Amino acid sequence: RKEVEQDPGPFNVPEGATVAFNCTYSNSASQSFFWYRQDCRKEPKLLMSVYSSGNEDGRFTAQLNRASQYISLLIRDSKLSDSATYLCVVNNFNKFYFGSGTKLNVKP
Amino acid sequence: NAGVTQTPKFRILKIGQSMTLQCAQDMNHNYMYWYRQDPGMGLKLIYYSVGAGITDKGEVPNGYNVSRSTTEDFPLRLELAAPSQTSVYFCASSYSSGGELFFGEGSRLTVL
Repeated sequence: RKEVEQDPGPFNVPEGATVAFNCTYSNSASQSFFWYRQDCRKEPKLLMSVYSSGNEDGRFTAQLNRASQYISLLIRDSKLSDSATYLCVVNNFNKFYFGSGTKLNVKP
Repeated sequence: NAGVTQTPKFRILKIGQSMTLQCAQDMNHNYMYWYRQDPGMGLKLIYYSVGAGITDKGEVPNGYNVSRSTTEDFPLRLELAAPSQTSVYFCASSYSSGGELFFGEGSRLTVL
């Protein structure tokens, strides 16, 4: 069973749309959770950490449900510049496990 | 600060050759990681280190070796290269366990 699973997409949305990504993780002892963004042929970069209480950074909102082992990312008012692959990342005892990524295409 | 520096950026190897991918960080991070990313896939952990002199296997260690003689450097050695090792390799570091990962720009390796 994979440590982290994501819907690969792609999600094709118009500018201004709201889009949500989900991911599940298999190890209930996982300690920390993140969303990373990866542009084509570039290295991943941290978008935001995810906390149980939920957290928001501008147009981005992340949620963690430990009981369901489920992580979400909501992007409001999508911009063309949001087009990228979004990686769900889970940390277990010094190891970071990555989902396969969800590709987002924002169209004019 | 340069952050995480990987060399080389591109390399073509013949089957059976060996090589070392270099990774250096200047942020005094204790935690360092090597990942590989195949096309359309997520990152798979090859090896990691929690400090100088300490290394451990990740999800896909076969065919690779690492060493960590200093805090700054974490080279990845490929022995007897195989076509299945064609991939993009990313080195990353973190200040703490569970902290933000900082990545190098990646090394694109092709084995023919």
